[in-house]
Amino acid sequence: QSVLTQPPSVSAAPGQMVTISCSGDTSNVASNDVAWYQQFPGTAPKLLIYEDNKRPSGIPDRFSASKSGTSATLDITGLQTGDEADYYCGTWDSRLSAVVFGGGTKVTVL
Amino acid sequence: QVQLQQWGTGLLKPSETLSLTCGVSGGSVRGSYWSWIRQPPGKGLEWIGEINHGGGTNYNPSLKSRLTISLDTSKSQFSLTLTSMTAADTAMYYCARGRNASTWGQGTLVTVSS
Repeated sequence: QSVLTQPPSVSAAPGQMVTISCSGDTSNVASNDVAWYQQFPGTAPKLLIYEDNKRPSGIPDRFSASKSGTSATLDITGLQTGDEADYYCGTWDSRLSAVVFGGGTKVTVL
Repeated sequence: QVQLQQWGTGLLKPSETLSLTCGVSGGSVRGSYWSWIRQPPGKGLEWIGEINHGGGTNYNPSLKSRLTISLDTSKSQFSLTLTSMTAADTAMYYCARGRNASTWGQGTLVTVSS
């Protein structure tokens, strides 16, 4: 059981948008920076978003994120077949003194 | 840019000790946190722990009694030791830079089997 809650899967047609939610509580999402990761099968995860909504160099602006209270969201616009992957949110939990992750969301392009 | 290269034993028997090391190149180990994260087959990410450039550590409470993370600044590398391994510890183990894991190692598949 993950500390952060994500939907197991989301899907949309090419060109459409998907939104992935990440729900936590006051000790993690609400009070610490949230990061998002993209992982393709058989490869290491890659940082997609850091500090709630910042993109590392090289990440397309089709990927955007926001946070409100105890929930964070990742939006992928202009969905492409190459976006099919697992996506994870993660943040520091001040009560646990540990990094916590969501269970991951599989994005499928229909 | 910083790159991470990890190495260590991939096949262990129950009760044995896991030792993994992650080498840092293209940057200094100073000024950052250095993390270990694992992923059981077909499952999600689990944070193992971290060490900062001063040697301070934070560990996953569920692993704390078996876990040691150390840092060798002279060699630009950091290490993980996990004792009393069981089948439940079978996973891909990753090293990463920073609390937000901005850079990842290539991963080491660790299998615990008799």
